[in-house]
Amino acid sequence: DQQVKQNSPSLSVQEGRISILNCDYTNSMFDYFLWYKKYPAEGPTFLISISSIKDKNEDGRFTVFLNKSAKHLSLHIVPSQPGDSAVYFCAALDFNKFYFGSGTKLNVKP
Amino acid sequence: NAGVTQTPKFQVLKTGQSMTLQCAQDMNHNSMYWYRQDPGMGLRLIYYSASEGTTDKGEVPNGYNVSRLNKREFSLRLESAAPSQTSVYFCASSKGATDTQYFGPGTRLTVL
Repeated sequence: DQQVKQNSPSLSVQEGRISILNCDYTNSMFDYFLWYKKYPAEGPTFLISISSIKDKNEDGRFTVFLNKSAKHLSLHIVPSQPGDSAVYFCAALDFNKFYFGSGTKLNVKP
Repeated sequence: NAGVTQTPKFQVLKTGQSMTLQCAQDMNHNSMYWYRQDPGMGLRLIYYSASEGTTDKGEVPNGYNVSRLNKREFSLRLESAAPSQTSVYFCASSKGATDTQYFGPGTRLTVL
C-alpha cells in the first residue's frame, strides 16, 4: 500500500498561470518532504523541500505548502512556464528511507 | 563533474539471464540507492547502502542483490531475470541517509 499518493496523473496549465500539484501521505512519522522534477530520459532532480516543523517554503517561483493535520502537501508554481513541463514526484522521509509518490505529469501550454 | 553515472543505458535480457547494473558517483557521498520506476507506481526503493560496507533491503528487494564495491560504486545484480523486472532503474546518492538524493539518468531494462 502506497504511503505517498499523487492522485492526479496529469495536469495541464496555460503559460503564466498557477500550477498546483498535490500529494497526500498516510504515515504520520514522515518528517521531511521533497519535490523532484523529472524530464524524459533523465533522472529526477531535486526541486524544493520542507521540514515538518514548517508549513511553507518558498524558492523563486516554487512554493511548497504542508498541512500536517490533513497529511497533505502541495507544490505551487507561479507563473508556470513551458520549461516546467515535466513529471513531478513528491517524496517523504521516514527514518532513513524516502517514499515516493507515483508522479504528476505537468504540461504547460504556451 | 559527472555526478551519478549509470551503465548501461538500455538492456534487453531473456528470462533467466543475469546481469549487473553499474552505478558510480563522484560527489564523495556516503549513501547510495537503487530504485525502480514502474508506470503508476512511482519510484520504489530496492536496496540502499547508508555507508560504505553496509547494505539494506528497501521496499522491493526480491530477485536482486547489491554490492557496495567502494565509496564511489554501488552495483545491482539480477541473478535470474524475470519479465516482472522490466522497468527503469535509477541509482541515487546522498551525503547522508536523510539528505537530498541525486539521481543518475537511469537504465531501461526489458526482460523478454
